[in-house]
Amino acid sequence: DVKVTQSSRYLVKRTGEKVFLECVQDMDHENMFWYRQDPGLGLRLIYFSYDVKMKEKGDIPEGYSVSREKKERFSLILESASTNQTSMYLCASSSPNLYGYTFGSGTRLTVV
Amino acid sequence: AQKITQTQPGMFVQEKEAVTLDCTYDTSDPSYGLFWYKQPSSGEMIFLIYQGSYDQQNATEGRYSLNFQKARKSANLVISASQLGDSAMYFCAMRETMDSSYKLIFGSGTRLLVRP
Repeated sequence: DVKVTQSSRYLVKRTGEKVFLECVQDMDHENMFWYRQDPGLGLRLIYFSYDVKMKEKGDIPEGYSVSREKKERFSLILESASTNQTSMYLCASSSPNLYGYTFGSGTRLTVV
Repeated sequence: AQKITQTQPGMFVQEKEAVTLDCTYDTSDPSYGLFWYKQPSSGEMIFLIYQGSYDQQNATEGRYSLNFQKARKSANLVISASQLGDSAMYFCAMRETMDSSYKLIFGSGTRLLVRP
């Protein structure tokens, strides 16, 4: 089975901290995505990557950055966490020749 | 403009009855794909069903079927014989083929509660 693993299910961080959310997939997928999910807003794309060291901004990239040094790992970085970044973060991966996406189980981040 | 619209924030259905979750979309790309995902309270996104814009038949997967009306730009999910385990958030999503990023655009979701 394709697996996408997010390192933490729950995370509590302080305002101003630098936060790393890690995502690892084991199926050699080219594309990886970070979404945030908020009630009433659905999932919104933060950043995505279609190759190692390649990244593209999604719809809401402000306050975030990403890193993809290896094909299997895609990290989301909150440079200076703020309370409005309290949310559920979902990582996904896919391959161009597949229509399906595989999601991780999500990280619920609370910034206090 | 919102590309995926789910107008039902929440719905109830009696166990064993059928339920329809609405989804409308907007795109100028003639080739696109439509997806439905289920998200239980545990948080994981579970793929349910896929419909390609050129597919002639409506997609079906077990108790799930997609009522695809291309001219109306709607892609409603029909769940037959609801079960208690169907209680979850449901998201409609679209991928446009012209968009080489292969990203999914999601609606705001519908929370379904199945009553015993």
